[in-house]
Amino acid sequence: NAGVMQNPRHLVRRRGQEARLRCSPMKGHSHVYWYRQLPEEGLKFMVYLQKENIIDESGMPKERFSAEFPKEGPSILRIQQVVRGDSAAYFCASSDGTDNEKLFFGSGTQLSVL
Amino acid sequence: GEDVEQSLFLSVREGDSSVINCTYTDSSSTYLYWYKQEPGAGLQLLTYIFSNMDMKQDQRLTVLLNKKDKHLSLRIADTQTGDSAIYFCAESTSGTYKYIFGTGTRLKVLA
Repeated sequence: NAGVMQNPRHLVRRRGQEARLRCSPMKGHSHVYWYRQLPEEGLKFMVYLQKENIIDESGMPKERFSAEFPKEGPSILRIQQVVRGDSAAYFCASSDGTDNEKLFFGSGTQLSVL
Repeated sequence: GEDVEQSLFLSVREGDSSVINCTYTDSSSTYLYWYKQEPGAGLQLLTYIFSNMDMKQDQRLTVLLNKKDKHLSLRIADTQTGDSAIYFCAESTSGTYKYIFGTGTRLKVLA
């Protein structure tokens, strides 16, 4: 049973470009969570999605960031017009929704903005 | 707001015990977690403890919780080089997915 898969592992973008980060949850999981880890900080909650629905986006920056979890395919975290401050590790987690106390995390995508 | 704090580094000799400490501020925390992150890997849930417990043991791992002082510790007995990793402390309240993480403690085990 594959774990939570994130790709790419490393993503380099120039300022102003778009970044698209993908996450495939564990088999049987339909709940996806995105967290961000800025340098020297702990992981911070960004958004919680179920298939085709955003449940809680209270941790998302108001501009340039969006997330989706379509009926088919992985969840996508999209950052438009990236800036240097977006450089961080972005982690995805999933659960089956019955036990939100146990999230399974992916290995993260390290975004570097030049 | 809620905060979780950990020291950044810990170095121990192989075979010794490691103790990683964590403090948190949210008195309504229900679950407290320890995650391990090895290089290039995801966060692996090591263990968690309910806030109504004060100790949990699982093989080489012992978690101690002092709820009065809001202090959590993870003890690794007979530390091995394979235990070298970053250890994250996290807390949540009942039924929530909004974990509050510490910055992680980088454990280095010297042979």
